[in-house]
Amino acid sequence: ETGVTQSPTHLIKTRGQQVTLRCSSQSGHNTVSWYQQALGQGPQFIFQYYREEENGRGNFPPRFSGLQFPNYSSELNVNALELDDSALYLCASSLGTGVSSYEQYFGPGTRLTVT
Amino acid sequence: DAKTTQPTSMDCAEGRAANLPCNHSTISGNEYVYWYRQIHSQGPQYIIHGLKNNETNEMASLIITEDRKSSTLILPHATLRDTAVYYCIVLLYSNSGYALNFGKGTSLLVTP
Repeated sequence: ETGVTQSPTHLIKTRGQQVTLRCSSQSGHNTVSWYQQALGQGPQFIFQYYREEENGRGNFPPRFSGLQFPNYSSELNVNALELDDSALYLCASSLGTGVSSYEQYFGPGTRLTVT
Repeated sequence: DAKTTQPTSMDCAEGRAANLPCNHSTISGNEYVYWYRQIHSQGPQYIIHGLKNNETNEMASLIITEDRKSSTLILPHATLRDTAVYYCIVLLYSNSGYALNFGKGTSLLVTP
């Protein structure tokens, strides 16, 4: 167990709807990263937040957005859901920026199904 | 970041050493090698990382060749719980986001 929690565990949404996924980071960690994992693929980086500011973004459209709160928990928001957004969404926490940021501790993920 | 090549799948008998190879022939001098694994229905788990020297921790050993073009992750005494997908990631430390670029990894099956 990493101490990173995510909610909800599973979610079913309809195409065009909006969804918010939540993540609580491991105690002491101030950096949160979000990844999307399609079935049979490795996780793909969405974006990262450090001290409430976006600190890097992968190749995802603007309808994927996020927030980090003062307690370092985070949200991932996806607007105008598409069928291809169906995936496992993983949150990872780490400490600071620099070398230690690549030792990321992952939560169990939220399984999103878009119908 | 350098591209990595890993076998799609491997088998290992329980109690034996599991040796997982990774080819990263285009690695540059200041790129690191990281290993993560993902057990079914869980998030990825950090295992180990290294630059030039061999590294060992409580989970595994990492052997990097002298020319750094390949590496091997060694699980010295594999157990059934080591069945997972193992990802080799080569990355360059930067100040513009610390993204892990996972490929497809190696699916390791440990058998009784």
